[in-house]
Amino acid sequence: DTGVSQDPRHKITKRGQNVTFRCDPISEHNRLYWYRQTLGQGPEFLTYFQNEAQLEKSRLLSDRFSAERPKGSFSTLEIQRTEQGDSAMYLCASSAGGDEQFFGPGTRLTVL
Amino acid sequence: QKEVEQDPGPLSVPEGAIVSLNCTYSNSAFQYFMWYRQYSRKGPELLMYTYSSGNKEDGRFTAQVDKSSKYISLFIRDSQPSDSATYLCAMTRSNDYKLSFGAGTTVTVRA
Repeated sequence: DTGVSQDPRHKITKRGQNVTFRCDPISEHNRLYWYRQTLGQGPEFLTYFQNEAQLEKSRLLSDRFSAERPKGSFSTLEIQRTEQGDSAMYLCASSAGGDEQFFGPGTRLTVL
Repeated sequence: QKEVEQDPGPLSVPEGAIVSLNCTYSNSAFQYFMWYRQYSRKGPELLMYTYSSGNKEDGRFTAQVDKSSKYISLFIRDSQPSDSATYLCAMTRSNDYKLSFGAGTTVTVRA
């Protein structure tokens, strides 16, 4: 399968714990995006990378959130000191420079 | 007010019916328009991508864009039970990368 992959698919954690998600984009896609989707809503933009450079962060991305794409390939999204309000589906997408973004299956986070 | 408003649904139609889905937007800078299909607990799947006013057809799917009215639509002909999903409209500005999504419309096609 050459699509966008995300790991883990599901994560249950206790409030206050740190979690890290991984995204592997489609090979040779230079742009990578993170979105968050809550129940009954469309995805909301969190942050964007072009190669290894993080070019924009949404105001939704508080200082407890950090994202990296160290070698311009896979990316990680870390949430520190998780809160119940962080419970959501975290989606990764990639594109080859155009506007067509292809999404992965998502990581569903539940904070107890 | 949100930048992108989508008819909330849910919609329930019999197999073979035409499904009509609609979004309006407020920002005239949006130039590229997409429709995604999302099955329960899965990631969105790109269905249609358009950048000009008018119609674009792909099999049973037709995307319609009216920039003067800031209105986009997706029509599904001969709907099938496998079309049961949530449909999301999305759009972006020229030279931008952030997609702005509608809240989605859940469609159920009854066999």
